[in-house]
Amino acid sequence: AQKVTQAQTEISVVEKEDVTLDCVYETRDTTYYLFWYKQPPSGELVFLIRRNSFDEQNEISGRYSWNFQKSTSSFNFTITASQVVDSAVYFCALSGMFSGGYNKLIFGAGTRLAVHP
Amino acid sequence: KAGVTQTPRYLIKTRGQQVTLSCSPISGHRSVSWYQQTPGQGLQFLFEYFSETQRNKGNFPGRFSGRQFSNSRSEMNVSTLELGDSALYLCASSLATENEQFFGPGTRLTVL
Repeated sequence: AQKVTQAQTEISVVEKEDVTLDCVYETRDTTYYLFWYKQPPSGELVFLIRRNSFDEQNEISGRYSWNFQKSTSSFNFTITASQVVDSAVYFCALSGMFSGGYNKLIFGAGTRLAVHP
Repeated sequence: KAGVTQTPRYLIKTRGQQVTLSCSPISGHRSVSWYQQTPGQGLQFLFEYFSETQRNKGNFPGRFSGRQFSNSRSEMNVSTLELGDSALYLCASSLATENEQFFGPGTRLTVL
């Protein structure tokens, strides 16, 4: 089965704390893609990153970093020195041929992050 | 470059009516996908259109349908609305396949 699990439903931190959002996936595909999206209160899903299954190199973009580990089927997202503007719901997603196609995203339930001043 | 646009942004309908939602993808993008987001079921894939053809379909009843025009704009239609169809409907566009998908602001549909 193709599945994405975000076990953390809600996380609350104080500004400037580091926070890691967990994502665990299941797939039969050998070639697949993993994504993170941010959904602020406005509702629009904002693309953050896409990673293919052959690229396990960790990525850093400003205060954001991603740790992809195939051995544990995890694709975790860390925000360093969190800010109030980071408050949103964050979704991890998976796509692959067995999932129904590369453009069919299977989403996790999301993690609501609240950053307090 | 303009992003994905969706119209209308908000819609209120009553049970039994039908509704049509519109999505204009990013210029040059040929793939348009639709998703339904509800508090209970989360984000679920409805269907994908590519070059005017439905390429993929999620597990939704036949009341949900869509189409894509030659300019890549897409519409989705829901007939015989039910209360459970109340949701945020999101449209995403991508260049082709195996590309990043970019989402529009969504249409919030309320069925009374």
